[in-house]
This record gives sequence, structure tokens and C-alpha cells, in this order.
Amino acid sequence: DVKVTQSSRYLVKRTGEKVFLECVQDMDHENMFWYRQDPGLGLRLIYFSYDVKMKEKGDIPEGYSVSREKKERFSLILESASTNQTSMYLCASSWGLAGTTYEQYFGPGTRLTVT
Amino acid sequence: AQSVTQPDIHITVSEGASLELRCNYSYGATPYLFWYVQSPGQGLQLLLKYFSGDTLVQGIKGFEAEFKRSQSSFNLRKPSVHWSDAAEYFCAVQGGNNRKLIWGLGTSLAVNP
Repeated sequence: DVKVTQSSRYLVKRTGEKVFLECVQDMDHENMFWYRQDPGLGLRLIYFSYDVKMKEKGDIPEGYSVSREKKERFSLILESASTNQTSMYLCASSWGLAGTTYEQYFGPGTRLTVT
Repeated sequence: AQSVTQPDIHITVSEGASLELRCNYSYGATPYLFWYVQSPGQGLQLLLKYFSGDTLVQGIKGFEAEFKRSQSSFNLRKPSVHWSDAAEYFCAVQGGNNRKLIWGLGTSLAVNP
């Protein structure tokens, strides 16, 4: 079975702190994704990566950055956390060829609260 | 631009009743199609997928979905709902040379005993 793990299930941070969310997958997937999920807004893509050191902006990249130094690990960074970044963060990975993505496999999510 | 519509925000059914969750998409060709389920406080789990071939696909937990090209739909069905099926259900599509999935906003399912 594909396993996607996220470093924390719950996280509480203060405004202005730098926050790191880490995601690890064990299936050698090329693609990795970071989403945030808010009530009524569904899943919104923040960033994705299709190879080591490669990244693309998603629909809502502002206030976030990412890092992928190893194929299995994809980190989301909040440079200076703000209260409007309080959300559920979901990491996913997928196999893909030639610019496609197949089914995505999700981690359990990190519920981040910024106070 | 591609889009996915789940017309029902919230549905309530009685345990043992049949279920159909609707999903309509906008895309010129046949996309890859997916249904996911999310239990409260959890990540998303893949229920089933359609890439090509037989338009009726079977998934986990007794779910099935039917792709109808003429209606641009991929509706999810279950003949008899169990209380444990109460969750949020998401439809997603992927089309063309695109690494992203396009997501519907989800349908919240409640099951009455």
C-alpha cells in the first residue's frame, strides 16, 4: 500500500513564526502536492513538484514556499505565519508520466492553527 | 478551462437506502475521473477511478460509478448505505497534459439510523 505521512497531525503556531510542514511518501512517486482545505472552499492547490528540485505554483501560492531535495520528501514552508493560514493542510503524491498525474494518494493532514 | 461541479452540497439518506452522488465536468475530451472519500479529520481515500474502457467502474466499500460521455457526468452510486458511509465525497478530473487534478467542492453525506 502507498503510504504518505505528514510530520504533525495538529500544530499551533504564533503569528510571524516560520512553519515547516513535512511530507514523505514511500512509493517512488514523481509528483507531490500540497493542498489546503477550508470549509466550503474544497481543496485548493498551493504548490506541486514533479521532480526533485522542481516545483510549480498552484492556485494559491502566496505566503508559501516549498522544497523538494529528495524524491520522497516535500516540504511546505510558511515564511511568516498569519492567522488566515489557519487551515487543514493535505499532502498527496502520485505517479505520472510526461506531464500527467494519475490517482493521488493523501496523507492524514495537518491541522494548523495560527494564533 | 476544466471544471468540476458537484451540485449537491449536502445529502441525507437513511441507512439501507440507495445513494447517488452527482458529478459533472467540463472538458473537451475524456478525462481521467476519480472519486474520493474523506472521513472527519482524515485525509482523502481513493474510492474508484476511470481512465478508459468499461464505463461502469467498481470501487472499494461497495461503491460504483458510471461515466456518461454524453452527459459529461461521473455519478457515484451505492445500492445500500451504511452508517459508516457518512463522510465528505469529492469528485476530481484530470485532462490533457496537466499534472493537476481539478476538484469539485464536495458533497457531505449524512446517514440516518
